[in-house]
Amino acid sequence: DQQVKQNSPSLSVQEGRISILNCDYTNSMFDYFLWYKKYPAEGPTFLISISSIKDKNEDGRFTVFLNKSAKHLSLHIVPSQPGDSAVYFCAANSGGSYIPTFGRGTSLIVHP
Amino acid sequence: DAGITQSPRHKVTETGTPVTLRCHQTENHRYMYWYRQDPGHGLRLIHYSYGVKDTDKGEVSDGYSVSRSKTEDFLLTLESATSSQTSVYFCAIRPGTGGDYNEQFFGPGTRLTVL
Repeated sequence: DQQVKQNSPSLSVQEGRISILNCDYTNSMFDYFLWYKKYPAEGPTFLISISSIKDKNEDGRFTVFLNKSAKHLSLHIVPSQPGDSAVYFCAANSGGSYIPTFGRGTSLIVHP
Repeated sequence: DAGITQSPRHKVTETGTPVTLRCHQTENHRYMYWYRQDPGHGLRLIHYSYGVKDTDKGEVSDGYSVSRSKTEDFLLTLESATSSQTSVYFCAIRPGTGGDYNEQFFGPGTRLTVL
């Protein structure tokens, strides 16, 4: 049973528009959430994170929103650029654990 | 650059042969992980280590073993490779203190094909 779900395997967006990637979780013990970005033939790289004590965290064009009551988080990319085309993984941790749980990823394609 | 290397980067082998993948870090971090990435499955944890000689199983550990005799090296062994182990394998490390301590740093990956 997946505890972290990324229900959209792929997303296509026009350059300059907003990209919204979604992630749902079922384990209420999760208290720290991360997004990773992965280009083909490379390892994933950390993008942005959020603690459960916050509902928003922003870093440049990337913003992560957390809705604890809905057990839902989303990554917003504004404006989207062709270089953002990659697979995005959502991950979640529970307090004290060093073993994150990953979603299956969403492939984002940003068209010029 | 998080100082993680994986070797080999590509390998083709035959069913039934043993295979060892190596992960090397220069950061002296305590936590190291092995994942496999497959289409439709994302990243799945195979084994992890929380110190020299301290390892534990992940969700897909069957058919794999690991060893960590030095802080900097974490080895993943397929004792008898099967076609279902064809995958891309990623090593990751995690700082134990400071900053975004939940963040992992990943190696470049090893593409393994078992014929």
